[in-house]
Amino acid sequence: DVKVTQSSRYLVKRTGEKVFLECVQDMDHENMFWYRQDPGLGLRLIYFSYDVKMKEKGDIPEGYSVSREKKERFSLILESASTNQTSMYLCASSFAFGPQETQYFGPGTRLLVL
Amino acid sequence: GQQLNQSPQSMFIQEGEDVSMNCTSSSIFNTWLWYKQDPGEGPVLLIALYKAGELTSNGRLTAQFGITRKDSFLNISASIPSDVGIYFCAGQVEYGQNFVFGPGTRLSVLP
Repeated sequence: DVKVTQSSRYLVKRTGEKVFLECVQDMDHENMFWYRQDPGLGLRLIYFSYDVKMKEKGDIPEGYSVSREKKERFSLILESASTNQTSMYLCASSFAFGPQETQYFGPGTRLLVL
Repeated sequence: GQQLNQSPQSMFIQEGEDVSMNCTSSSIFNTWLWYKQDPGEGPVLLIALYKAGELTSNGRLTAQFGITRKDSFLNISASIPSDVGIYFCAGQVEYGQNFVFGPGTRLSVLP
């Protein structure tokens, strides 16, 4: 079974704080993704990574950065949290780009920025 | 960019009824994925489809990759209360491209 875990299920932070969201997968997947999910807007891709130390911007990277120092771990960083970053954050991983790629999601982190 | 439409947006059904929902696009896709998301949880993969015309089952769930490659369908037979949730489709236009996600179909099952 593929397992994607996220460090926190719920987080409450104050405006201006630096926030770290951690994601770990145990299936030796090459690719890892960070999405945010908001009502009416669906899933939007923030950043993804296809290898250690590699990162690519998704559709909405502004206000975020990422780190991938180890293959199994992908971190999302909010350098200075703002209220409009209150959202559900979902991490996903997939084996590799190519035929039959399938993304598996973690349980999500619900972030509230006050 | 590519967009996926899902219909219906929401549906209320009686326990024991069959359910059908679909996902459509103006673009041709190589891969279709179907997920279910419970409130406050992450999406869980239900079925993956990789070939036009492919029909795949997972228990009471059956999904089909449309012949035109612009749509996909998910059917649930004999619904039960735990089928409640939001069902998302995701499509990939080309290998190596990011997936596009539909807005979801919210399913409610009445006892």
